[in-house]
Amino acid sequence: DADVTQTPRNRITKTGKRIMLECSQTKGHDRMYWYRQDPGLGLRLIYYSFDVKDINKGEISDGYSVSRQAQAKFSLSLESAIPNQTALYFCATSDRVDTQYFGPGTRLTVL
Amino acid sequence: GQQLNQSPQSMFIQEGEDVSMNCTSSSIFNTWLWYKQDPGEGPVLLIALYKAGELTSNGRLTAQFGITRKDSFLNISASIPSDVGIYFCAGLGTSYGKLTFGQGTILTVHP
Repeated sequence: DADVTQTPRNRITKTGKRIMLECSQTKGHDRMYWYRQDPGLGLRLIYYSFDVKDINKGEISDGYSVSRQAQAKFSLSLESAIPNQTALYFCATSDRVDTQYFGPGTRLTVL
Repeated sequence: GQQLNQSPQSMFIQEGEDVSMNCTSSSIFNTWLWYKQDPGEGPVLLIALYKAGELTSNGRLTAQFGITRKDSFLNISASIPSDVGIYFCAGLGTSYGKLTFGQGTILTVHP
């Protein structure tokens, strides 16, 4: 079984809809991250959490919110999706500041 | 914020050729990481570099942490078709626990 799982793997939605992407990990790591990937821009950090009671904004947090429900679960929400939020979204975990382990990604399309 | 410039953006090579790519920054980084992303999957860590001047190998891959701490290089020797994918550099600087990613190098290997 995969150490970091993301659901759904693909999602198509309409402008204005609320969307939640979920991430679960079995690695026992305290730190979890949400990234967005766009062609030619690499990965950009949306939010990160160093433990269950810690939530921090990344470089592109506008339009997104997160919830750390447990050590193993970190969800990303788009309260009102817009087309420029169409992208690949990755969850990652780490037990150190550098070695991050990524999930398989969620491809989100906002029409 | 900190930024990484990764080059080249894409490479088309013949099987058996050597590959070189690099990342540069105007800021100092304390750790350099190189990841590979296969189609439809999340990035996987290839090599981690922790000290200026460090040269580290992982099979046919060799990476170096630049002396100025502002750049890093990745070389792949004797490329094979399964080397195709997107290669990302990432740096850990003064922002605790937060990686900065390069834009990625898309590698295509022709048999």
